[in-house]
Amino acid sequence: GQNIDQPTEMTATEGAIVQINCTYQTSGFNGLFWYQQHAGEAPTFLSYNVLDGLEEKGRFSSFLSRSKGYSYLLLKELQMKDSASYLCAVRSNTNAGKSTFGDGTTLTVKP
Amino acid sequence: DAGVTQSPTHLIKTRGQQVTLRCSPKSGHDTVSWYQQALGQGPQFIFQYYEEEERQRGNFPDRFSGHQFPNYSSELNVNALLLGDSALYLCASSPGTTAYEQYFGPGTRLTVT
Repeated sequence: GQNIDQPTEMTATEGAIVQINCTYQTSGFNGLFWYQQHAGEAPTFLSYNVLDGLEEKGRFSSFLSRSKGYSYLLLKELQMKDSASYLCAVRSNTNAGKSTFGDGTTLTVKP
Repeated sequence: DAGVTQSPTHLIKTRGQQVTLRCSPKSGHDTVSWYQQALGQGPQFIFQYYEEEERQRGNFPDRFSGHQFPNYSSELNVNALLLGDSALYLCASSPGTTAYEQYFGPGTRLTVT
């Protein structure tokens, strides 16, 4: 089976750094995704990790440890517009479409 | 370049009715996946279409069916609607079944009363 855990809610201050964790237990592993989803909108792709280590893309970075079944999304220099739900998703085979999503972490950025 | 489009935006149906949702993939994409997202939860994979055939399926009953047309657009059909089918239905497209990037459409909000 598939199991993905992430915190339900987090709060941070504008300009700060926040780390959103994700742990997973899946029957196979072929990559981990992070998506951002604003309320009432579609998820948008943020990052993809298939090898261990840190991937940096502007203010956002994503880390993966396959041996620990663990990933985190790091958001730097937080802005108010970063308030959204952040979804962790695991691809268990080579088919990107059949990804298993966590329930998301709702991040609230306060001034 | 148009992204993924879905119609309608919102829909209200009654228990027992049938519904059809539509999706047009991003230009150049030939693979369409459908997801159901209940309030406060992550998207759940329903099925995927490629070359007009269902290629992968999640844990959804046969009441959920689909179709892909030669122009790669897709439909999701749900029969005998239940209250629990109320959700945001998302369509995602990708250039092939193994591409890692998926682009999501804005979704169709279905309410079953």
